[in-house]
Amino acid sequence: EVQLVESGGGLVQPGGSLRLSCAASGFTFSTYSMSWVRQAPGKGLEWVASIKSDGSQKYYVDSMKGRFTISRDNAKNSLYLQMNSLRAEDTAVYYCMRGMTSSDYWGQGTLVTVSS
Amino acid sequence: DVVMTQSPLSLPVTLGQPASISCRSSQSLVHSDGNAYLTWFLQRPGQSPRRLIYKLSNRDSGVPDRFSGSGSGTDFTLEISRVEAEDVGIYYCMQGTHWPRTFGQGTKVEIK
Repeated sequence: EVQLVESGGGLVQPGGSLRLSCAASGFTFSTYSMSWVRQAPGKGLEWVASIKSDGSQKYYVDSMKGRFTISRDNAKNSLYLQMNSLRAEDTAVYYCMRGMTSSDYWGQGTLVTVSS
Repeated sequence: DVVMTQSPLSLPVTLGQPASISCRSSQSLVHSDGNAYLTWFLQRPGQSPRRLIYKLSNRDSGVPDRFSGSGSGTDFTLEISRVEAEDVGIYYCMQGTHWPRTFGQGTKVEIK
């Protein structure tokens, strides 16, 4: 059974940093591209970043480029999102997804709250 | 960026009746490989989104056949032939052809 479990969310002050993790199981992680998508409270879905299976290419939405970094460790079956210079508008549930074209599995999400 | 526009944004439906959601893209979603990477997701209240339809019209395993996807180029439709209570939630379309990936605003389906 495919499972994606996010962790690392929490309360952080504006300007702070946070590193999200996504632990994958139930499939051969190293053969799949992966993505992060976020959802602000009561709002719709917003794609954040994607990474190819071998980590050779990364894609970001412009508004997060330079502040967010997607990475992966195929030996640990894990996906990461390093978030720096966080702003109040980054407050959202962050979901890990398998794939980057028509993602078929999502995690349960981890809540990031940026507030003083 | 490719803008995805869904309509309606709110859709009250009667159990057993059909329902239809439109999704329009600001650019053609036909990829150079010939596929149109248009995906439909359903997010039930309090849950993560679940994929229903991928590559325009392919239904995921376990998705009831009352759900169907169609369209081409820039105009796409998700149809539910007979709405059931478990179909309540927010439906999103997403394009996976162009970078960055983009979602529609969501269509909230509720029972009348």
